[in-house]
Amino acid sequence: EAQVTQNPRYLITVTGKKLTVTCSQNMNHEYMSWYRQDPGLGLRQIYYSMNVEVTDKGDVPEGYKVSRKEKRNFPLILESPSPNQTSLYFCATGLGVSTDTQYFGPGTRLTVL
Amino acid sequence: AQSVTQPDIHITVSEGASLELRCNYSYGATPYLFWYVQSPGQGLQLLLKYFSGDTLVQGIKGFEAEFKRSQSSFNLRKPSVHWSDAAEYFCAVVGTDSWGKLQFGAGTQVVVTP
Repeated sequence: EAQVTQNPRYLITVTGKKLTVTCSQNMNHEYMSWYRQDPGLGLRQIYYSMNVEVTDKGDVPEGYKVSRKEKRNFPLILESPSPNQTSLYFCATGLGVSTDTQYFGPGTRLTVL
Repeated sequence: AQSVTQPDIHITVSEGASLELRCNYSYGATPYLFWYVQSPGQGLQLLLKYFSGDTLVQGIKGFEAEFKRSQSSFNLRKPSVHWSDAAEYFCAVVGTDSWGKLQFGAGTQVVVTP
């Protein structure tokens, strides 16, 4: 079954405590991306990756890091989380973003106190 | 600056009535256009997409969208709404000069009344 999995699904943490949200896909897709969703703002792209070892900034990359060491995984790293990073995060994957359907993960609800 | 605008934050529609959701974009060239739906507590699902060709695009769940270059619009329509269509709808755009960058509108919340 084609799947995009994210872990954890829910996380409450404190300011400054490093965390990683994992994203994994089993569809052999080259393209992966991270978004955050905030009320009234829709989804905003954080980072995307066109292939292994190739990553680039989206519209709101500040405070986030990513890595793409293997095709199936694209973790999102918050080195020093702050309350303004409290949000709902989605990972998405596809063969390509411009010509292909994006498959979204179930979301990770992050609260930073 | 490139942008995607969904002018309606919230729409209430009666079951069985028609629905139209608006989307306008501001890009240098015609971008690739998408509509996604997000049901409560769920991830996003693609309804339809437009890359080129016929400007009237058919999607899943009985939705269609029409691309109008002159108006920089890509409006989503459904002739007869079902209660299960209550959800949030997002228009999204990829610019042809920015492969990889998917930009979403702020979304339109659709409420369906009996």
